[in-house]
Amino acid sequence: DAGVIQSPRHEVTEMGQEVTLRCKPISGHDYLFWYRQTMMRGLELLIYFNNNVPIDDSGMPEDRFSAKMPNASFSTLKIQPSEPRDSAVYFCATSGDEQETQYFGPGTRLLVL
Amino acid sequence: KQEVTQIPAALSVPEGENLVLNCSFTDSAIYNLQWFRQDPGKGLTSLLLIQSSQREQTSGRLNASLDKSSGRSTLYIAASQPGDSATYLCAIGWDDKIIFGKGTRLHILP
Repeated sequence: DAGVIQSPRHEVTEMGQEVTLRCKPISGHDYLFWYRQTMMRGLELLIYFNNNVPIDDSGMPEDRFSAKMPNASFSTLKIQPSEPRDSAVYFCATSGDEQETQYFGPGTRLLVL
Repeated sequence: KQEVTQIPAALSVPEGENLVLNCSFTDSAIYNLQWFRQDPGKGLTSLLLIQSSQREQTSGRLNASLDKSSGRSTLYIAASQPGDSATYLCAIGWDDKIIFGKGTRLHILP
């Protein structure tokens, strides 16, 4: 199994641009989580899905952030418009059950200039 | 409100020593606690998961304990090796959320 796949690995964009981060979960995992990691705030849960349905999006910082999971093998996290304070590493993680071990992707390092 | 604290923020120990990393949380009504390892520039690797009904989990040289009543967990690493150098994070499952500590940066000196 290739594990959780995220793309791109690095993204540099200018303020105001739209950014789309992608995640391919481990096959058979019903839960998918999006996290953001910064030095100041550590690792924070943004949103998670169960069977493609968003369950808890209370961690999404603003309306500029949106996430979708159109099918069991693909999810996106979109920021529109992006701002410099969105610069962080964004991780996708999946698990077979909400209370089971989560497997993390390698992350997308986002820099908004 | 739940807060997760990891102390110390950084730790350096000589190779071969046993060491303990600490994680504390303020609300004991958790349903699990997980320890992760993060290497620079990489994603998180899950090390151990302890359910609320358990008191400890072991994997190789790692042992994690959980004391819900006191709001504490420890990660014990035996016979440390330079390859153990990484940042270690604990995360709790609570109120349908997952809350992470900020991690302990561990450096094993050869």
